[in-house]
Amino acid sequence: GAVVSQHPSWVICKSGTSVKIECRSLDFQATTMFWYRQFPKQSLMLMATSNEGSKATYEQGVEKDKFLINHASLTLSTLTVTSAHPEDSSFYICSASRLAGTSSYNEQFFGPGTRLTVL
Amino acid sequence: AQTVTQSQPEMSVQEAETVTLSCTYDTSESDYYLFWYKQPPSRQMILVIRQEAYKQQNATENRFSVNFQKAAKSFSLKISDSQLGDAAMYFCAYISGAGSYQLTFGKGTKLSVIP
Repeated sequence: GAVVSQHPSWVICKSGTSVKIECRSLDFQATTMFWYRQFPKQSLMLMATSNEGSKATYEQGVEKDKFLINHASLTLSTLTVTSAHPEDSSFYICSASRLAGTSSYNEQFFGPGTRLTVL
Repeated sequence: AQTVTQSQPEMSVQEAETVTLSCTYDTSESDYYLFWYKQPPSRQMILVIRQEAYKQQNATENRFSVNFQKAAKSFSLKISDSQLGDAAMYFCAYISGAGSYQLTFGKGTKLSVIP
């Protein structure tokens, strides 16, 4: 159980276009979903945290008008990169969290990631 | 704010040998959880092992074990009988036990396994 999918796995787009990435929790309802960005050979950088039905909370330095997050249901969150430019090229990873059994923390399950290339 | 430090950007180990990856963290909380994640070339994040701070016993998962030193705020990962499939980036991570949602990651250690 606890499978998270992302679609697409790889996308190439032209500069100036918008790209939507979907993140789905397939077999559980996620209390919260997260979006990360990862540059080559670097760690995961949290971009934003989203809860179903409410506005996402963005990390400092992340442009909320550029990276639009919609959390439409307990199993689906989308990240839209608007007016993409080559510097937006990166690997984007989502995760979905739920309470970890009797523990007091929220366990995160990661999607396989989406490689975005902006030409 | 919590910080997680991995001081070894790269490590290598001979196949079938043992390697230890280091991680230190800084926190003022008493209730928290620590993790080691593996990210192979596919880039899928895989949970390797988890440690609850309130447990004194070190966590073990098959060939993977941790050395959790709470007072020293150290959380190292030992991989025994290393296999080629263990080659990956390894990230140490922290989460607060106080109902927090956010994971704090270290910068990672790239592990190479030499046949």
